[in-house]
Amino acid sequence: NAGVTQTPKFQVLKTGQSMTLQCAQDMNHEYMSWYRQDPGMGLRLIHYSVGAGITDQGEVPNGYNVSRSTTEDFPLRLLSAAPSQTSVYFCASTYDRNTEAFFGQGTRLTVV
Amino acid sequence: AQSVTQPDIHITVSEGASLELRCNYSYGATPYLFWYVQSPGQGLQLLLKYFSGDTLVQGIKGFEAEFKRSQSSFNLRKPSVHWSDAAEYFCAVGARGFKTIFGAGTRLFVKA
Repeated sequence: NAGVTQTPKFQVLKTGQSMTLQCAQDMNHEYMSWYRQDPGMGLRLIHYSVGAGITDQGEVPNGYNVSRSTTEDFPLRLLSAAPSQTSVYFCASTYDRNTEAFFGQGTRLTVV
Repeated sequence: AQSVTQPDIHITVSEGASLELRCNYSYGATPYLFWYVQSPGQGLQLLLKYFSGDTLVQGIKGFEAEFKRSQSSFNLRKPSVHWSDAAEYFCAVGARGFKTIFGAGTRLFVKA
């Protein structure tokens, strides 16, 4: 089973560039989330989705957009990259609210 | 608001010694609680979870955790630590809207 797949694994952007981080899951999970991980701050929720066509903001949504056109895919878009968005990004999916989240391997993003 | 506090940023234990990682949560209802482990450069892996019932839960790799409602705590324990346990550990609470809120993490160092 592939589980949750994130691409790319590494990315360097220049300030002001845009890009999309891809996330796909093959477990038919309704719930998907994006987190960013920064030293000493744990994982902070950026955006999440409770099903196709439904998304909502998490703790730190500014500068990011998401959409959920299918159950499988949940891309994260950086509209105009800033150095403050240098981080490791994790996508996760969950079957239900009382089950654990399954995580991708992460995308390490550097904005210069 | 929901929150998770892990008071210890890092802990060092000797191989073979016992381990306890602390976690306190703030949540208005019965919480769904999780412990995850992250090895360097990897995603997060679930160690154990608590939803209801027996307050002492067993997980993988010999870990256990005890839910204490009166103390709003969910501490992780292991009787004998192995060098391979060196990693970062995250406590998390499953919140409304299928969001998972993470603590800042505790990095475990194991000395020979």
